[in-house]
Amino acid sequence: DAGITQSPRHKVTETGTPVTLRCHQTENHRYMYWYRQDPGHGLRLIHYSYGVKDTDKGEVSDGYSVSRSKTEDFLLTLESATSSQTSVYFCAISEGGQLAKNIQYFGAGTRLSVL
Amino acid sequence: AQKVTQAQTEISVVEKEDVTLDCVYETRDTTYYLFWYKQPPSGELVFLIRRNSFDEQNEISGRYSWNFQKSTSSFNFTITASQVVDSAVYFCALSDRNSGNTPLVFGKGTRLSVIA
Repeated sequence: DAGITQSPRHKVTETGTPVTLRCHQTENHRYMYWYRQDPGHGLRLIHYSYGVKDTDKGEVSDGYSVSRSKTEDFLLTLESATSSQTSVYFCAISEGGQLAKNIQYFGAGTRLSVL
Repeated sequence: AQKVTQAQTEISVVEKEDVTLDCVYETRDTTYYLFWYKQPPSGELVFLIRRNSFDEQNEISGRYSWNFQKSTSSFNFTITASQVVDSAVYFCALSDRNSGNTPLVFGKGTRLSVIA
């Protein structure tokens, strides 16, 4: 199994509060991703990173920010949580490089409820 | 723009039946990658297979097989002799551009229930 740890695994918070989710990897993979999963939508990309301090927006990036100050950690921040951000959040990693297989491996997910 | 369509929202079969999960994709790129992931009731996402666009050879892995047809932009997944443990949500996904490691575009998933 890919060494990916998401924390916390569950969180309940109130509307308007800031929330930070953490993804930690032990694989030294270059690429990291944040997706959210909602019923009827599958998984949708929020942000991704292609290296330390290199990030890009995804399909549903509004209301989210990310940071990657070191290879192993990718943080997702909800500056002011809203009920529409209640979701399951998945982190994924992939290796990168010319011979990379572009296979994304996923963490166990974080279930976030915004009340 | 890329798009993945899994038209079957839910499928229910009796154990030992064969079942095919459909996946149709759209992309403008000539080089792309297709994936299937399994999400069992426990919630994790499990990688099943990756196929690149220039390899149309079908693949079989035990009871699982995949049929890739560029002519119809489809990448269908068949489970032979289904078992209760196959009950899960299955996602088809697409990654385009030949640089690899681009984010995945997922279909909405097909929930498979295998009844004993």
